[in-house]
Amino acid sequence: DAMVIQNPRYQVTQFGKPVTLSCSQTLNHNVMYWYQQKSSQAPKLLFHYYDKDFNNEADTPDNFQSRRPNTSFCFLDIRSPGLGDAAMYLCATSKDSDVRNQPQHFGDGTRLSIL
Amino acid sequence: SQKIEQNSEALNIQEGKTATLTCNYTNYSPAYLQWYRQDPGRGPVFLLLIRENEKEKRKERLKVTFDTTLKQSLFHITASQPADSATYLCALAPSGNTPLVFGKGTRLSVIA
Repeated sequence: DAMVIQNPRYQVTQFGKPVTLSCSQTLNHNVMYWYQQKSSQAPKLLFHYYDKDFNNEADTPDNFQSRRPNTSFCFLDIRSPGLGDAAMYLCATSKDSDVRNQPQHFGDGTRLSIL
Repeated sequence: SQKIEQNSEALNIQEGKTATLTCNYTNYSPAYLQWYRQDPGRGPVFLLLIRENEKEKRKERLKVTFDTTLKQSLFHITASQPADSATYLCALAPSGNTPLVFGKGTRLSVIA
């Protein structure tokens, strides 16, 4: 089945130690997204790519970076994680740039804990 | 300011009843609105998309309405089952090809 896969499902890192979360998709979708979701809150968009065109949300901290080396893979790098960065990180895709009119396909997320 | 509000954090209903969840928005004029289901520890799963000119859309036991005058969408699950217990998120795109903005969701519990 075509899908969005996130690894690892659970990640523990130390305060200030860089961490990378990964996402891959077999849907061949053009658009990829990274969201941060804290308990009982709405998913908050961090970045999205239209193909290789990177779009950063205005309130995404500089501590967060992203890379999309090819259509299938996307990475979220947190350079110096703080306690407030503990959350579920969700990767999603949509088929093309008409994003309003299409469903998003989500992975099952990576739950990040900071020690 | 722009807001998406889902009626309550939690809703408990008896099995077999109809669950009705509300999504209200302020200072948006979306042409489309979407609903997702999220189970604990999992990513959201797309359920339905409704366009501003569609008023109502159905899929099996699910029904969504969209009232652009009231700035509200209602999500109904008829003949609810314990397996319908989950958090339901509404989402809309503010304009053009701007990505979706999600509500916090309503946690539905269907009690047998």
